[in-house]
Amino acid sequence: EPEVTQTPSHQVTQMGQEVILRCVPISNHLYFYWYRQILGQKVEFLVSFYNNEISEKSEIFDDQFSVERPDGSNFTLKIRSTKLEDSAMYFCAGTQTGDTEAFFGQGTRLTVV
Amino acid sequence: KQEVTQIPAALSVPEGENLVLNCSFTDSAIYNLQWFRQDHGKGLTSLLLIQSSQREQTSGRLNASLDKSSGRSTLYIAASQPGDSATYLCAVNSGYSTLTFGKGTMLLVSP
Repeated sequence: EPEVTQTPSHQVTQMGQEVILRCVPISNHLYFYWYRQILGQKVEFLVSFYNNEISEKSEIFDDQFSVERPDGSNFTLKIRSTKLEDSAMYFCAGTQTGDTEAFFGQGTRLTVV
Repeated sequence: KQEVTQIPAALSVPEGENLVLNCSFTDSAIYNLQWFRQDHGKGLTSLLLIQSSQREQTSGRLNASLDKSSGRSTLYIAASQPGDSATYLCAVNSGYSTLTFGKGTMLLVSP
């Protein structure tokens, strides 16, 4: 069964460093998303991406965040200068269209120290 | 702004029991609702998707219902097993294809 693959599974970084989280979506998906889940809290939407551009972003997704789909397969989330409060599990997801079933990856646990 | 609430926050049952998890949402103008399972510290596994025009969906021992007008969904798990122990998340798509999640119900099924 096709699945969404995220790497790395766990990343530890120092405050102020840049991190790139990577995702390989399911091949026939057209809409891509990043969500995050701070420990003990709800899963929160960050950004959606369609047709090579951001279609929607939340208040959390400020200028420190960016997304890219550089080669038509990988989908990346970059955090330019990490803060302690960026520590969370980051999930990549995809859908075929805007109202079909969402499939999530296993997540990248980001720890900022 | 859409808000999703799940009750109860935690549930502990003996193996074999049938159980119901509840989800409510504040804005009934939704496209669909999706139930997920999350094992501790792991990713989200999709269980069922109900489109706004549907009343229920079934997959094996799981049955999800949707009452859009009242802003409610239930997930029914029949004959629960220890392997069902996980956190169950309800998520609503209110437009632009993004999901708003509840905080989840943590289920423990004891042998």
